[in-house]
Amino acid sequence: SQQGEEDPQALSIQEGENATMNCSYKTSINNLQWYRQNSGRGLVHLILIRSNEREKHSGRLRVTLDTSKKSSSLLITASRAADTASYFCATTSGGSYIPTFGRGTSLIVHP
Amino acid sequence: KAGVTQTPRYLIKTRGQQVTLSCSPISGHRSVSWYQQTPGQGLQFLFEYFSETQRNKGNFPGRFSGRQFSNSRSEMNVSTLELGDSALYLCASSIQGERGYGYTFGSGTRLTVV
Repeated sequence: SQQGEEDPQALSIQEGENATMNCSYKTSINNLQWYRQNSGRGLVHLILIRSNEREKHSGRLRVTLDTSKKSSSLLITASRAADTASYFCATTSGGSYIPTFGRGTSLIVHP
Repeated sequence: KAGVTQTPRYLIKTRGQQVTLSCSPISGHRSVSWYQQTPGQGLQFLFEYFSETQRNKGNFPGRFSGRQFSNSRSEMNVSTLELGDSALYLCASSIQGERGYGYTFGSGTRLTVV
């Protein structure tokens, strides 16, 4: 079963625009991770944010975490065509360190 | 350093057959996890191995099994294949599998059952 659910399911933008994807989850978490998957390939780990953190940055990526709302957002600034991919959030909770994945947001960046 | 290597990349099998998939983790990573990805169910956790022992298991039937060798390489086996087993099978490694670390995924094995 999915713990995290991404929103929107699909997002289409122009190169240079910002892309925001959201993830909501149901139970308290230890950490939340974001991954990218290019079509038919493996997942690439982007950022891990712990439950006691509120914001993290990595290059053009900014992740926020609001544990009171049980939600996270991934912002990609100044998007590029190469950012076209599916983006997944994954959470670990309780005593488990096995990440549970959402169904992902499909991002298309038009050149 | 080399990433996570999965072989083969593509497989076509007939219903009823069995299949073995291989995963070589990043050097020094002792935890190997397997996931099944389908359009309908998304990414589903199969099992995790650490130091040659299955440490966690997802909700899959006993037809799905795995093992890990002393060099941390892992194999998963699916017996008596069903059409619904068609999926992308992803292997992920991490240093210890603990919650402070992210996973590094391989490119996956695309299994088609006909």
